Amino acid sequence: DQQVKQNSPSLSVQEGRISILNCDYTNSMFDYFLWYKKYPAEGPTFLISISSIKDKNEDGRFTVFLNKSAKHLSLHIVPSQPGDSAVYFCAARPITYSGAGSYQLTFGKGTKLSVIP
Amino acid sequence: DTGVSQDPRHKITKRGQNVTFRCDPISEHNRLYWYRQTLGQGPEFLTYFQNEAQLEKSRLLSDRFSAERPKGSFSTLEIQRTEQGDSAMYLCASSLVQSNEKLFFGSGTQLSVL
Repeated sequence: DQQVKQNSPSLSVQEGRISILNCDYTNSMFDYFLWYKKYPAEGPTFLISISSIKDKNEDGRFTVFLNKSAKHLSLHIVPSQPGDSAVYFCAARPITYSGAGSYQLTFGKGTKLSVIP
Repeated sequence: DTGVSQDPRHKITKRGQNVTFRCDPISEHNRLYWYRQTLGQGPEFLTYFQNEAQLEKSRLLSDRFSAERPKGSFSTLEIQRTEQGDSAMYLCASSLVQSNEKLFFGSGTQLSVL
């Protein structure tokens, strides 16, 4: 069962416009969320994260929004650039029963973003 | 900062053979992780070390898999009696204690079992 779901396998956006990548999760124990970007033949690279106590985190052109009641998060890229073309993975970390963060990240299947010049 | 290094980049083996992969983390990182990624899927957690201690293992890690991190530096992942279902990208990542969510990944080892 997929605990982290990225329902759009691909997304195409014109350069300069906004890219919105979506992610849904089912596990109520997730307390920390991350986005990773992956280019072909490279490992994923960390992009931005958000704690469950926040609803928004911004870093330059990248903003992540978290809606806990809907168990939904989204990554906004504004403005989109051709270099942003990559696969984007949403990931989540559960809090353990002891209250500490687990070290296991659960990843979605990824969304391939293509930014068209 | 030379990043996380993995060797080899590609490995082709026959079913039933044993294979070993190596990971060199970023030097000051004391946490090291192994993930596996198959086609069309996101990375799946396999195991995690803090220094030389293996602290978490996924149920995906069958008894044919063994990971070590002697002296808390580099790590090896061995797969014994490989099966075709083991074909995947094996990713290593490392992190600092104070930012354990921010993982730095290597480029991975692509394993193909024929």
